[in-house]
Amino acid sequence: DGGITQSPKYLFRKEGQNVTLSCEQNLNHDAMYWYRQDPGQGLRLIYYSQIVNDFQKGDIAEGYSVSREKKESFPLTVTSAQKNPTAFYLCASSSRTTKDTQYFGPGTRLTVL
Amino acid sequence: GQQLNQSPQSMFIQEGEDVSMNCTSSSIFNTWLWYKQDPGEGPVLLIALYKAGELTSNGRLTAQFGITRKDSFLNISASIPSDVGIYFCAGRTSGSARQLTFGSGTQLTVLP
Repeated sequence: DGGITQSPKYLFRKEGQNVTLSCEQNLNHDAMYWYRQDPGQGLRLIYYSQIVNDFQKGDIAEGYSVSREKKESFPLTVTSAQKNPTAFYLCASSSRTTKDTQYFGPGTRLTVL
Repeated sequence: GQQLNQSPQSMFIQEGEDVSMNCTSSSIFNTWLWYKQDPGEGPVLLIALYKAGELTSNGRLTAQFGITRKDSFLNISASIPSDVGIYFCAGRTSGSARQLTFGSGTQLTVLP
């Protein structure tokens, strides 16, 4: 059945290491998004992509990088330049055919030790 | 950027009571969405609104797109324990490409 998958669910990394979070969708959506959520707060946009091989920075892109080589996949790399990377990361996708309503994956909790 | 004020920040209610929460924006929105998030999970879409004045129900949930296009509310009737969670509003302006602005969430606790 269709949906958005994120892996892994929990991720632990040592300070100074880069880490890549996976996001895959089989909804045939053209747009994909990465958000960061901190405890008790709303969602903040990191990057988004409207089409393969193109992406735009969101509100908090510093210390993150993305790629969009395939329509189905939008991996997020948290680099060592991100000062406070421990957070809950959410991936979403949307399509103009459904009025760009965003649908979310289950999230990845990253803890940097 | 756009500002979304969501209130209340948290609510404690008795099972069976009705609940109301709302969001107000500093900008005119053309889309309002309401999501629910359980702990450790991604937000799940509850209701989507695309026209000013639109009133839409989903079971015990009802949401409205305000006439001014700067606000929306969500009502939950006859609350049950599984209604516990964080409720987020999100909106989009015509000039924001495909991006959404999210409220800070309403934490709902239902007491037995």
